[in-house]
Amino acid sequence: KAGVTQTPRYLIKTRGQQVTLSCSPISGHRSVSWYQQTPGQGLQFLFEYFSETQRNKGNFPGRFSGRQFSNSRSEMNVSTLELGDSALYLCASKQLAGSAGELFFGEGSRLTVL
Amino acid sequence: QKEVEQNSGPLSVPEGAIASLNCTYSDRGSQSFFWYRQYSGKSPELIMFIYSNGDKEDGRFTAQLNKASQYVSLLIRDSQPSDSATYLCAVLRAAGNKLTFGGGTRVLVKP
Repeated sequence: KAGVTQTPRYLIKTRGQQVTLSCSPISGHRSVSWYQQTPGQGLQFLFEYFSETQRNKGNFPGRFSGRQFSNSRSEMNVSTLELGDSALYLCASKQLAGSAGELFFGEGSRLTVL
Repeated sequence: QKEVEQNSGPLSVPEGAIASLNCTYSDRGSQSFFWYRQYSGKSPELIMFIYSNGDKEDGRFTAQLNKASQYVSLLIRDSQPSDSATYLCAVLRAAGNKLTFGGGTRVLVKP
């Protein structure tokens, strides 16, 4: 079974630009979560989508947004990029039925903002 | 107080010894507890989860949960250099809720 796939793996942007990251979950997983990981703050929850609906949201400004499509693929968007947005963005999927809630992570998209 | 707390380390362990990692959490309503391993430059991978008080063993790994004291621990027996990584504790409050991670403990296993 293929794992969680994230694209692009690496990208460089400049301040003020916007970026879109994509995530394809494990087949059969309908929940997709996004996390931001930085050396100083660790793994911080951004949001979770299930059945095309945002189910949970972390404490990030409105510049961070996401969506989920009917095939469970998800995208997140960051507008008006700031230097502090440089991070590894991780997508994770999980089954809900019969699951303890464990997440399976993709390899991440490493964003550098110059 | 952080929701999930871990000692950042590094925890230095000689090869073959037992590595003991601890994690405390603040929400008494937490139900499921997870340990993830993250190698440098890689994404977290699930080692094991536990949701009942007591011990749960999987190979060289043992997770221990004490809900009354609000802590969960991970023991790595016969530590190997390949176990050198950051270990992340994560807590799920309820079904459908978000998984909250601790800051991670860096483990160094020295040959």
